[in-house]
Order: sequence, then structure tokens, then C-alpha cells
Amino acid sequence: EVQLLESGGGLVQPGGSLRLSCAASGFTFSSYAMTWVRQAPGKGLEWVSSISGSGDNTYYADSVKGRFTISRDNSKNTLYLQMNSLRAEDTAVYYCAKGGTMTLPHWFGPWGQGTLVTVSS
Amino acid sequence: DIVMTQSPDSLAVSLGERATINCKSSQSVLYSSNNKNYLAWYQQKPGQPPKLLIYWASTRESGVPDRFSGSGSGTDFTLTISSLQAEDVAVYYCQQYYNTPPYTFGQGTKLEIK
Repeated sequence: EVQLLESGGGLVQPGGSLRLSCAASGFTFSSYAMTWVRQAPGKGLEWVSSISGSGDNTYYADSVKGRFTISRDNSKNTLYLQMNSLRAEDTAVYYCAKGGTMTLPHWFGPWGQGTLVTVSS
Repeated sequence: DIVMTQSPDSLAVSLGERATINCKSSQSVLYSSNNKNYLAWYQQKPGQPPKLLIYWASTRESGVPDRFSGSGSGTDFTLTISSLQAEDVAVYYCQQYYNTPPYTFGQGTKLEIK
């Protein structure tokens, strides 16, 4: 059974940093692209960033480009999202999700339970 | 970016009746070289993460009940629940993966019981 467990969320001040982690199990982690999707309170889904199975290719939404960095450690079956220069509008539940292929995720599933990031002073 | 627009925003259907949710993309998501539509559907129940239902516009994910079906091509797509069950109350999202990146979602359709 595929399991994805996010951690690292919390309350941070504007301009601060957080690193999210997503521990994966139940599948060959390095064979699949992975993705972060966020959902602001009461709002819809917003794609944030994706990374290929090898880690060689990364992709970002314009809203986070230059501030967020996606990475993965295939030896630890773990996905990361380093978030710098955080803004109030980054407040959301952040989900990690398994992609459909190795090179590009295409579709997303399964998803983790999510971790809440709150940016506020 | 491709804009995904769902209709209606909310929908109330009686138990056992058919529910239909529409999704329109601002440009075609049909890739001519493989004749595949780059579109997925998700279900999000209250307090839960989204769940993948359908990809390639009409391929059901493993374990998804066959009352869920996807159809359409090009720019117009439909998610149909043939006989609504109480456990289908959720928000449903479409998502395109034709332009990568960015991936884009529809705004969501809230499905309730009438």
C-alpha cells in the first residue's frame, strides 16, 4: 500500500523559512515523479512544484519560483520542499502526491494527509 | 496557462440519481500524436486529501467504483456518477496535464444530496 506522510509544517513569520518533508513507502520511489500541491483555507487546489523520479528535472509555479526548492533523496524515499521568503498568501495545507510516470507526474495520486503551513506575524 | 472552468459550482442530486459535472479547458488538451486527452478528475471529501478518480479523461484509477465515469475530448469533459451514493458527497476537481508546467485545476464543484 502506498503511504505518504508529510511533516514540517507550522507557524512562521512573514519572510521566514520552512522545510517540508514527505516520507514515502509502498512503491519504488525513484521510479515516479513527485509533486507538491497546496490548498489555502476554504479554497481550491493549486499545483506548487514537481520533480522527476531521478531528481534531474524540477518545475515550479510562478507564484513560488525563486522562493521554493523541491528536492528528493531516493536513498531515503523522501521528498522535500524548502520554502524561503514566506508570505501570508503561502498559508495553506501542503500535500505531497505520487505522480503517474517517472519523468512527469501528469496526474497525482495517492496523496498524503497534508501539513499545514501558516504564515503570520 | 490553460484555464480550467468547471460547471456548475455546486450541485444537489437525489440518492440513486445521476450526477454530471462539466469541465472546460481554455485550449485543447488532446495530444494529437497519441490521441490522448491529458485530463484527470479528483474527489475531495470533507477533511480529507484529494483522491485520484480518473486520468486520460476516461481511465478509472484502480479501486474506483464503476459508477464513476469520465468522457469528453479536446476542450469539453464530463464526470458522471451514474447512481449517487451518500459517500459521494464531496468536492470534485478536474486537472489538465497537457501544458507541463504549470498543471492547472478547475475551481471545484461541490456535490451534495438533495
